[in-house]
Amino acid sequence: KAGVTQTPRYLIKTRGQQVTLSCSPISGHRSVSWYQQTPGQGLQFLFEYFSETQRNKGNFPGRFSGRQFSNSRSEMNVSTLELGDSALYLCASGRGGQETQYFGPGTRLLVL
Amino acid sequence: SQKIEQNSEALNIQEGKTATLTCNYTNYSPAYLQWYRQDPGRGPVFLLLIRENEKEKRKERLKVTFDTTLKQSLFHITASQPADSATYLCALSNFGNEKLTFGTGTRLTIIP
Repeated sequence: KAGVTQTPRYLIKTRGQQVTLSCSPISGHRSVSWYQQTPGQGLQFLFEYFSETQRNKGNFPGRFSGRQFSNSRSEMNVSTLELGDSALYLCASGRGGQETQYFGPGTRLLVL
Repeated sequence: SQKIEQNSEALNIQEGKTATLTCNYTNYSPAYLQWYRQDPGRGPVFLLLIRENEKEKRKERLKVTFDTTLKQSLFHITASQPADSATYLCALSNFGNEKLTFGTGTRLTIIP
């Protein structure tokens, strides 16, 4: 079974721009979660989608948004980028009832 | 607010010895506690999950204990090998909730 895939793997943007990251979950998984990882804050939960509905949300500003499609693929969007948004963005999929998360390799975003 | 501490930021262990990592939490009553391994530049990989009503779980050279009274989990790697060198993260979650709250991580180095 193919694992979680994320595209792109690396991205460089400038302040004020917006960015869209993509995640394809493991086949059969209906839950997709997004996390931000930085050296200072560690791994922090952004939001979780299940069957195209946002089910959980972390404490991030409204500039961070996401969506999930009918095939369970998910996208995350960050608008008006700030320098502090530079991070590794990780996507994780699950069966949506089980608690184990399967993580993708991440997208490393650098905001200049 | 919820707080999860892994009390060693870095741990160096001689090859062949047992590595013991600690995860303490406050203001949380988790249903599940999980341990993940993360290698540099990669997403976390699930290792073990233990439920609130379980005291201990084992998988090959790995052992996890969970003490809900002390609000603590211990993660042991026996007969450690250099290939075990990585960052280890504990994560807490609740019933039917895909949101994981992660600890700060412990960077483990096994010295040959």
